[in-house]
Amino acid sequence: EAGVVQSPRYKIIEKKQPVAFWCNPISGHNTLYWYLQNLGQGPELLIRYENEEAVDDSQLPKDRFSAERLKGVDSTLKIQPAELGDSAVYLCASSPGGQNTGELFFGEGSRLTVL
Amino acid sequence: DAKTTQPNSMESNEEEPVHLPCNHSTISGTDYIHWYRQLPSQGPEYVIHGLTSNVNNRMASLAIAEDRKSSTLILHRATLRDAAVYYCILRWNNDMRFGAGTRLTVKP
Repeated sequence: EAGVVQSPRYKIIEKKQPVAFWCNPISGHNTLYWYLQNLGQGPELLIRYENEEAVDDSQLPKDRFSAERLKGVDSTLKIQPAELGDSAVYLCASSPGGQNTGELFFGEGSRLTVL
Repeated sequence: DAKTTQPNSMESNEEEPVHLPCNHSTISGTDYIHWYRQLPSQGPEYVIHGLTSNVNNRMASLAIAEDRKSSTLILHRATLRDAAVYYCILRWNNDMRFGAGTRLTVKP
């Protein structure tokens, strides 16, 4: 069974340009997470979806970040415009959801470099 | 706010046991204790979880204090492939927030 798939793996852009990341979770997983990870730090939650509903987006910088999960399957995270400080790894994870014990399965991440 | 406290780093010798501590003094009765680890250049991966009782699986053991205010992840025989950052997380429902974790170095 395929794991969580993210693309692109690497992206280099100039500041003020837009960028988008895509995530395809494991089939049947209702819960989807987007995390941001800076070098040497733990992942920071940006947004959590339960099916197509964003149930926790309190940490998402809404002035420049947006996310969607149409039809409750794959998801897109967008940054517009990107700033130098957005350089980081963006991780997507999925989980069966609806319980306290299900594992989170992470993708390999999308590494963003803003010049 | 981070709800767990872990040492920044620990070292171990290969083939020796490793005890990774985690303090979670504000844990509530419905919080599950989860451990994940992150190998270099990879996303985090699940290790183990528990609620009140000690737990064992093929990767590790989890020892939970009787008052649940602390827990310890035990790797029975560390290998070089266990070198990673280990995260202790309190999970309520599907809320999963990571702290800084403990960076484990395994020396041959």
